[in-house]
Amino acid sequence: DSGVTQTPKHLITATGQRVTLRCSPRSGDLSVYWYQQSLDQGLQFLIQYYNGEERAKGNILERFSAQQFPDLHSELNLSSLELGDSALYFCASSPRDRNTEAFFGQGTRLTVV
Amino acid sequence: EDKVVQSPLSLVVHEGDTVTLNCSYEVTNFRSLLWYKQEKKAPTFLFMLTSSGIEKKSGRLSSILDKKELFSILNITATQTGDSAIYLCAAVYGGATNKLIFGTGTLLAVQP
Repeated sequence: DSGVTQTPKHLITATGQRVTLRCSPRSGDLSVYWYQQSLDQGLQFLIQYYNGEERAKGNILERFSAQQFPDLHSELNLSSLELGDSALYFCASSPRDRNTEAFFGQGTRLTVV
Repeated sequence: EDKVVQSPLSLVVHEGDTVTLNCSYEVTNFRSLLWYKQEKKAPTFLFMLTSSGIEKKSGRLSSILDKKELFSILNITATQTGDSAIYLCAAVYGGATNKLIFGTGTLLAVQP
């Protein structure tokens, strides 16, 4: 168990809908990351937050947004969902903002039907 | 374009065999290289390599980084069925961030 908690574990929703994925980082970790893993794309970096502020952006769609709250938990909001958004969404955390290992949660499997 | 390439894509071995997994990278502002093991869901951290030529070891697993030739290898000796997993390598890159660019992974299957 990495200490990173993600909810829910599974999510099935219809196209056009909006969902929120939640992540609690390891105790003491200030940095949170979101990754998307699909069968054909592998693990893709979406976004990084450090102590409440956005630090880096990757291949995150405009329909997706995230934030990190004062208690350091983070939420990833996915809207206007499309079939192609079906994937495993991972959250990871690390103690620092750079050049450090990241510890992954168990992921949220999103299925868009 | 930044990229991380792993080889082989998959391999099947028998218990007791030794395997070597390869990871090559071309990334801007390379900082370090990480290895992860992914079984059912979450990638589990194995090693972080920052310096060239210094081997990191954990039990039957070891890894080394060559920053001149831009690659890393992960060795697993005396493989066991529990080693069956996808092994991912990732390059830490960028400036004041901790972005990871992942390879597509090597699928290892260890048969009894």
